[in-house]
Amino acid sequence: GAVVSQHPSWVICKSGTSVKIECRSLDFQATTMFWYRQFPKQSLMLMATSNEGSKATYEQGVEKDKFLINHASLTLSTLTVTSAHPEDSSFYICSAGRTGRTEAFFGQGTRLTVV
Amino acid sequence: GENVEQHPSTLSVQEGDSAVIKCTYSDSASNYFPWYKQELGKGPQLIIDIRSNVGEKKDQRIAVTLNKTAKHFSLHITETQPEDSAVYFCAASISGGGNKLTFGTGTQLKVEL
Repeated sequence: GAVVSQHPSWVICKSGTSVKIECRSLDFQATTMFWYRQFPKQSLMLMATSNEGSKATYEQGVEKDKFLINHASLTLSTLTVTSAHPEDSSFYICSAGRTGRTEAFFGQGTRLTVV
Repeated sequence: GENVEQHPSTLSVQEGDSAVIKCTYSDSASNYFPWYKQELGKGPQLIIDIRSNVGEKKDQRIAVTLNKTAKHFSLHITETQPEDSAVYFCAASISGGGNKLTFGTGTQLKVEL
């Protein structure tokens, strides 16, 4: 399988600050990456599709100004949670797949806690 | 859009028994169906997948079956072991959709000694 690395694995931040989460495809190039959010004991909810070199596509109900996505290279996408609030606390997970292939591989996730 | 339903939400089996998790999907255009295992605090790990041109696929103790007509697919785990305990998610997507997945609601599998 392909390796997707996510960093950090956990982060605690104060309300009002911003937090950046990185998602890297280590051994392949990915023109598209996906960002998911997962609440405890629930399924993964797609937040947005990150496209290399262009704007991200956000799912309905996801605030694009709050969850900034940048996909500057074929191996790196970042999610920045701006002006974080306690309700943003969650498990954020990215996925990526090899261009032209269907399989999606996930990062290890980032546990965000806003205090 | 696609909607994936998954049952049961929790499943408890004795070590050595088999476990079966079932999913149904709504979009007949979906043609790729992966299964993921998620351990606590970790990201999902792809364990097996099946494409719509195949009815069954097996990998050691794990198998997946697909019924395109009925739009449902199932995960079968035989000879369960304690390390199989985790949350399992089914998903569906359309090839060419850039790996965009619609997930089921998950099944908490507990394998008891």
